[in-house]
Amino acid sequence: GQNIDQPTEMTATEGAIVQINCTYQTSGFNGLFWYQQHAGEAPTFLSYNVLDGLEEKGRFSSFLSRSKGYSYLLLKELQMKDSASYLCAVMDSNYQLIWGAGTKLIIKP
Amino acid sequence: GAVVSQHPSWVICKSGTSVKIECRSLDFQATTMFWYRQFPKQSLMLMATSNEGSKATYEQGVEKDKFLINHASLTLSTLTVTSAHPEDSSFYICSAKTGGDYNEQFFGPGTRLTVL
Repeated sequence: GQNIDQPTEMTATEGAIVQINCTYQTSGFNGLFWYQQHAGEAPTFLSYNVLDGLEEKGRFSSFLSRSKGYSYLLLKELQMKDSASYLCAVMDSNYQLIWGAGTKLIIKP
Repeated sequence: GAVVSQHPSWVICKSGTSVKIECRSLDFQATTMFWYRQFPKQSLMLMATSNEGSKATYEQGVEKDKFLINHASLTLSTLTVTSAHPEDSSFYICSAKTGGDYNEQFFGPGTRLTVL
């Protein structure tokens, strides 16, 4: 079966760095997405990786290793507004998005 | 660019009534639209995929006669929850995808449905 694993919840301190991991097993691979979702709102796009390596976009970076079925989202200089759920999603061979359950990130002052 | 709107943002209805939710791509043509449902503290669950001008493809376990999807144009898809019951109360989110190689889905803001 298809499976996306990410931690349920993480806590970090304002100004610090946090890494949210995602491992996946899917039928084929057409890219991995990270989305941010604040409570009661729809997800917003953060990043897309289809090749191995690190993609940096401001305070957020995303890494992919296809051979290991592994990705992480790195958030730097954490701000209170970064408190949200972070969803990892993989597009399989049928171009369907397979979603992880999300990681709830709690930022403390 | 790539804005998707949903209407209404929230709706409360009585059990047994039907509710229609609209999803529009405002500044692009969406060849494919997706409907998701999300229960509290759970991840997104894909309900169906719709392509303009053709019948929607429903995920296993989703009743196509209860959740009617119409994708009549490249900018509009509708989801009608027929004979709604309290267990249908959820957050319904649509997303839209353009054609081409880039696979990003653009999400609407979601519709909160509460069935009394």
